[in-house]
Amino acid sequence: EAQVTQNPRYLITVTGKKLTVTCSQNMNHEYMSWYRQDPGLGLRQIYYSMNVEVTDKGDVPEGYKVSRKEKRNFPLILESPSPNQTSLYFCASSLASGANVLTFGAGSRLTVL
Amino acid sequence: GENVEQHPSTLSVQEGDSAVIKCTYSDSASNYFPWYKQELGKRPQLIIDIRSNVGEKKDQRIAVTLNKTAKHFSLHITETQPEDSAVYFCAAFDPNAGNMLTFGGGTRLMVKP
Repeated sequence: EAQVTQNPRYLITVTGKKLTVTCSQNMNHEYMSWYRQDPGLGLRQIYYSMNVEVTDKGDVPEGYKVSRKEKRNFPLILESPSPNQTSLYFCASSLASGANVLTFGAGSRLTVL
Repeated sequence: GENVEQHPSTLSVQEGDSAVIKCTYSDSASNYFPWYKQELGKRPQLIIDIRSNVGEKKDQRIAVTLNKTAKHFSLHITETQPEDSAVYFCAAFDPNAGNMLTFGGGTRLMVKP
């Protein structure tokens, strides 16, 4: 089944404790992206990647890191989480760019205390 | 970069009525406009999209119209059903602003039986 898988689905952590949210797709998509969803603010793009070893900042990259060492994986790293990073995070992928249909993962709800 | 505004933020309609959600965008270079539906606790999924060379697109009970001059686009849902209840997001892709898809703030549609 074609899908985007992200883990963990739920996580409660404390300020400053590094964490990684993994994202993997099995559709051979070139484009992968991370979004955070907050009430009233829609989906805001954190980082995206056009291909292996190519990553770019989105609208809200502060406090996040990403890497794209393999085509299928695009992990989101929070080096020192803070409470304002409490949010619902979605990974998504598409065939070639942001102008193609996005397939979203199921979401990861992160709480930083 | 691109800025997308979406109205209304909440919309309540009676089953069988029509619903209209409107979005405006800021950059005239934007050329791809998708709409995503997010049911409660689920991931966003594409329901319809339109590119800038087309003024209108229909798919059964849903349609999207695009006015490039005014820089706005709208989602129309006819004969609404309870299963149409969800949050709807519009988005715009600006090829001159990296490879990012910018989302609106979302509209919570409630269809009352």
